[in-house]
Amino acid sequence: EDKVVQSPLSLVVHEGDTVTLNCSYEVTNFRSLLWYKQEKKAPTFLFMLTSSGIEKKSGRLSSILDKKELFSILNITATQTGDSAIYLCAVEAYGGTYKYIFGTGTRLKVLA
Amino acid sequence: GAVVSQHPSRVICKSGTSVKIECRSLDFQATTMFWYRQFPKQSLMLMATSNEGSKATYEQGVEKDKFLINHASLTLSTLTVTSAHPEDSSFYICSAKSRDRDREQFFGPGTRLTVL
Repeated sequence: EDKVVQSPLSLVVHEGDTVTLNCSYEVTNFRSLLWYKQEKKAPTFLFMLTSSGIEKKSGRLSSILDKKELFSILNITATQTGDSAIYLCAVEAYGGTYKYIFGTGTRLKVLA
Repeated sequence: GAVVSQHPSRVICKSGTSVKIECRSLDFQATTMFWYRQFPKQSLMLMATSNEGSKATYEQGVEKDKFLINHASLTLSTLTVTSAHPEDSSFYICSAKSRDRDREQFFGPGTRLTVL
């Protein structure tokens, strides 16, 4: 059975801290891994990763994929209160049709 | 570009009634639409995948007679929760993939369903 596991489940840090969120997966026919940020409503897209070892960056956020270890991390440096959200990892896999399997999510709270 | 809308954003209904939720891609043709369910403080759970003009593919454990999905056109998919019960109360989110940008899915804003 395909599964995506994120850790930690929740995290509380202070502004300025750096955090690392983890995502491991076991799926057949992997196509890509995606990170999303969810605040009050629908998730917003952060990154899509398809190749191992290539870091993607967007401001204070960065992510990398290890397809050998079936693992990805999302780093957030110099955290701000606006980074407080649920961070979701999803893996796109093919099983007759392409679909997305979401991880459990990591709830991040950044204190001022 | 790549905007997905959902209607209604919030609905409250009585137990036993049916509720229809619409998902529209506003500025692109959606060859595939996904329906997710999210319980409080939990992640998104894929319910079904629908391709335009064909029957939806439901995930294991999701009752297709309970959650009717119709992908009637390249811009519209509907989810009907039939004979809703309080345990169906949840946040329902749709997403859509474009024919031209099939590596990305674009999410609708979600519909909060409360069944009394």
